[in-house]
Amino acid sequence: GAGVSQSPSNKVTEKGKDVELRCDPISGHTALYWYRQSLGQGLEFLIYFQGNSAPDKSGLPSDRFSAERTGGSVSTLTIQRTQQEDSAVYLCASSSEGGLGYTFGSGTRLTVV
Amino acid sequence: AQSVSQHNHHVILSEAASLELGCNYSYGGTVNLFWYVQYPGQHLQLLLKYFSGDPLVKGIKGFEAEFIKSKFSFNLRKPSVQWSDTAEYFCAVNGGYSSASKIIFGSGTRLSIRP
Repeated sequence: GAGVSQSPSNKVTEKGKDVELRCDPISGHTALYWYRQSLGQGLEFLIYFQGNSAPDKSGLPSDRFSAERTGGSVSTLTIQRTQQEDSAVYLCASSSEGGLGYTFGSGTRLTVV
Repeated sequence: AQSVSQHNHHVILSEAASLELGCNYSYGGTVNLFWYVQYPGQHLQLLLKYFSGDPLVKGIKGFEAEFIKSKFSFNLRKPSVQWSDTAEYFCAVNGGYSSASKIIFGSGTRLSIRP
């Protein structure tokens, strides 16, 4: 597609429930990234995919967080047993090798109540 | 480890004032540097980037940034701001020869322009 697409745009969930966030990167972009932006905070790196593998998942805050990418395209970020501190905007970005920086999606605003 | 510091959390200026937002990074090797902007209610957009060559980089909307290697700095400037520049600005860095590795972001500077 023309840009990075994320769904849903907003998600309200009850504490303890699992949620799945989806990212559809720009066609042909081999690298895909997940970040989290909390209120008043900068962007916190979560995980990076190159193709279908994740060379760097150092930013995942706990084992409740996992992500996968299939077919070198769509990625899903799963948060199990959500907690209130998981409330944030989850941003996805993609890039190609060689150079233009990231293109970000518009994010999923997750609210855990 | 890489890190980015943006010392100004909130800057308030009047229209037509000059702008300089500070950014310092910590990284020992070759770096790529970025400024991103997030307008109210919109997603992050790339404002400008530095990979190599001329350390004075010009971006969109009249913004520029200067890479000073000796100071580990990449400050953002604009000679005359407009009300429409109200946004949050993020400095970012990644290392190496490709932009495809993870980018580390600063905590952001909120810019408010008084009309």
